Amino acid sequence: GAVVSQHPSRVICKSGTSVKIECRSLDFQATTMFWYRQFPKQSLMLMATSNEGSKATYEQGVEKDKFLINHASLTLSTLTVTSAHPEDSSFYICSARDPNGVYNEQFFGPGTRLTVL
Amino acid sequence: AQKVTQAQTEISVVEKEDVTLDCVYETRDTTYYLFWYKQPPSGELVFLIRRNSFDEQNEISGRYSWNFQKSTSSFNFTITASQVVDSAVYFCALSEAQGGSEKLVFGKGTKLTVNP
Repeated sequence: GAVVSQHPSRVICKSGTSVKIECRSLDFQATTMFWYRQFPKQSLMLMATSNEGSKATYEQGVEKDKFLINHASLTLSTLTVTSAHPEDSSFYICSARDPNGVYNEQFFGPGTRLTVL
Repeated sequence: AQKVTQAQTEISVVEKEDVTLDCVYETRDTTYYLFWYKQPPSGELVFLIRRNSFDEQNEISGRYSWNFQKSTSSFNFTITASQVVDSAVYFCALSEAQGGSEKLVFGKGTKLTVNP
């Protein structure tokens, strides 16, 4: 099946720094990638939809300037958490849609656990 | 608006018991897709099944089975003869097929603990 990777898997940073998370589709080209956020013991909440070559579409309530998304190629989308604060600590998961897939199936990355001190 | 409800927050069973995880959804679309994902403690989402709105056939895959009932907007998941390795959080999700957004709306998840 299709494989999506995320890097890093875990990151700890100081408050005020910026953190970049990469999401890659390894064996297919993804025109659309999605970024989700999951707080402990809670569900996944869609943050934004990332389309290759265009601006990301953010969900209501998500700060565009805080969570910068870049989808520069068909296999890579990045999420940069700018000026991170402890409340940004969370589990971030990306997914990629295979345009050749049959049923809108999204393939999920393994997630990135961000801890902001 | 789309919504997925998993009323069971946590379920605890003893190994070899059967367990059913409930999922009720709301959507105005006539074409949509339903999914179940498993999230073990490691955090990675594992795809289990996808069902489109026009296919109400129940499906069985080994110890797993799914019951899709459009009349009650439910897509329930049953694990037969549960095992300790089934312990995880299970998410039901809904995706609209029209409009091109293809967003996934997740339920809050059901944490299943299978005790030896």
